[in-house]
Amino acid sequence: SAVISQKPSRDICQRGTSLTIQCQVDSQVTMMFWYRQQPGQSLTLIATANQGSEATYESGFVIDKFPISRPNLTFSTLTVSNMSPEDSSIYLCSVKATVMAFFGQGTRLTVV
Amino acid sequence: DQQVKQNSPSLSVQEGRISILNCDYTNSMFDYFLWYKKYPAEGPTFLISISSIKDKNEDGRFTVFLNKSAKHLSLHIVPSQPGDSAVYFCAATTKTSYDKVIFGPGTSLSVIP
Repeated sequence: SAVISQKPSRDICQRGTSLTIQCQVDSQVTMMFWYRQQPGQSLTLIATANQGSEATYESGFVIDKFPISRPNLTFSTLTVSNMSPEDSSIYLCSVKATVMAFFGQGTRLTVV
Repeated sequence: DQQVKQNSPSLSVQEGRISILNCDYTNSMFDYFLWYKKYPAEGPTFLISISSIKDKNEDGRFTVFLNKSAKHLSLHIVPSQPGDSAVYFCAATTKTSYDKVIFGPGTSLSVIP
C-alpha cells in the first residue's frame, strides 16, 4: 500500500488566481496520477506525471491550465491556473501499485 | 466516450438486505476491475477487485462477479449495513503500474436502518 498526503485539504480562491496542490507519497513511485472530481461527477484523469519527463495530459486538459511538476519519485504538484468557478472540484493525487490505485484525501477547491 | 458505465446513479436498500451495484465496460483491453468506496471529504478507498481470469471474488460481505463475455460486473453487499452508505465507483485498468485507472460515474448507496 501507499500513504499519500495532499496539501491543502481545502481552499477558497478568487477567480483569476492560481492554486498549487502538493502531493507527497511515502514511497518511491514511477507514475503519479492527478484526477478531478467535479460535483456529482466521477473521477476524471487530468494527467499522468512521470519523474524526469513532461506530464501526459488527457483529452480536454492542457498544460497551460494545469501545469504539473514531478521533481522526484515521491512528490508532485498540480497547479490550477487562472481559475474560474468551473474549476471548483475535488482534486486527487493517486499512485498505482500494479493494479491497485491509492488516493490522497483530496483537495476541495472552491472558486468564487 | 465512457469506457466504464454505472447506469444507476443511486440505490436505496434496507439494512440487512442485499445491495447489488452494477457496472459495464466497453474496452476489451481491461483485465482488472476494482471497486472503490468514497465518503464525502475523503479520497476513494479500495474495496475489492477481480482479475479478468476469474468470475467471482469474495471478501467478507463483499462479492464481485464478472461476466467477461457481457463486459459486465456487479458488486454484492450482504448483509447491507448503514455504514455502507457511500458512493461506490467501479474502475477498470490493466495489470501494469503504468496504465491509468478509468472510473465509472459512481452509484450512491443509501442503506436505511
